[in-house]
This record gives sequence, structure tokens and C-alpha cells, in this order.
Amino acid sequence: IAGITQAPTSQILAAGRRMTLRCTQDMRHNAMYWYRQDLGLGLRLIHYSNTAGTTGKGEVPDGYSVSRANTDDFPLTLASAVPSQTSVYFCASSPSGRNYEQFFGPGTRLTVL
Amino acid sequence: GDSVTQMEGPVTLSEEACLTINCTYTATGYPSLFWYVQYPGEGLQLLLKATKADDKGSNKGFEATYRKETTSFHLEKGSVQVSDSAVYFCAYRNTGTASKLTFGTGTRLQVTL
Repeated sequence: IAGITQAPTSQILAAGRRMTLRCTQDMRHNAMYWYRQDLGLGLRLIHYSNTAGTTGKGEVPDGYSVSRANTDDFPLTLASAVPSQTSVYFCASSPSGRNYEQFFGPGTRLTVL
Repeated sequence: GDSVTQMEGPVTLSEEACLTINCTYTATGYPSLFWYVQYPGEGLQLLLKATKADDKGSNKGFEATYRKETTSFHLEKGSVQVSDSAVYFCAYRNTGTASKLTFGTGTRLQVTL
């Protein structure tokens, strides 16, 4: 069982380019999340999905979009990357309900030049 | 609004010293509380959790007690090891449609011989 996989592991991207970060889970969790981690700011929620077919905005959604066509996959797209989107991106999943922890992927380190 | 405040790091300790990392939260309702650990170059892993008042979470020698009266969830360990060097994040998860995690900014722990 792999848990959560993310791809790519790292990427350097020119500003203005489009980029999709991939996330796949094999635990059949209903909920999935995208966070960005920046030094001194902890993790901030970008977008989430409570179940396949639904998505919602987190704290910092501007410049990002997501889709949830099925239970397993939750891609994050940067339509036109900017340097302020340089960060480490973590995908997470969990069963629904407040008592459950979230399981995190290994992260994608993205640098926008 | 809802938030988590944890002590700033870095915290530097000698091996076998006692550790306390303070965490307080501001939230409505009855959230579940979590401590996550992030080792260098890795994603976040759940360290321990508590889902109701007075519960004590424990794992790998670490403990934290859910104190609703002081809205705190301090992380403690009686004798730290070099292998405990990592960044520790306090987080809570509340009820609601998003049921997302709200994180503190993280505390870096460095344990030396």
C-alpha cells in the first residue's frame, strides 16, 4: 500500500507557465486537501474536497484550481505560475469526521523563477 | 477567528533533557487536537492526537493532554534523543463541512549529544 503519492518530487518552472501537481491516494478516503508550506508560516490550506465531485476553497486559493473527478486523484493546477507560488506543496487525505487525522504525501518542491 | 499558537523555535536541547512545546488554540465547539512531526526532507506524520477534553495522547515517549479549560495541548517528553530532532506542528480539526486542519507555525527541535 503506497498511501499518498505526489508527482513530481520537485520542479523548477518559469513564471507564466502552467503546471499541474499530481496527487493520488489508495486508502479510499473521502476527503483530500492541498497545503503549501512556507518558512515561518506553517501549512496553509489551498483547496479541499470533501468527496468526489466537490471542491472548496481554503485560506489561500488565489492562482490555484483543483478538480476531483474520482476518489483517488486530486490534482492541483497553477494556471500561470508566479514567483510567490514558490513553496513546498503537500497533498493530504483523511476519512470524513473531526476525530480522524490527515495522512500526508511526501510533498512537491516547486520553484517559480 | 480560529487559530493555533505554538512556541517559536528553534529549541535546542541536550540528549536526555526534558522537552515541553507549548500549544494553545482558539476555536469554537469541541475540536480534535493533533501533534504532527516533520523530519528533514519528509512530509508530516501524525505523532499523537486527542479527541475530547482530558484525553491524553501518547506515542514514542511523547505525551500531550487536551486541556479545554486552558485551551492547551502542550507536547512533553521526559528524555529526548538526537533522533527526535525535527519540526513539530500543533493542529486542530473542528466540525463543519470542510473539517480541515488548522496548523500552528511549527517548532524546530534540535537535540545534541
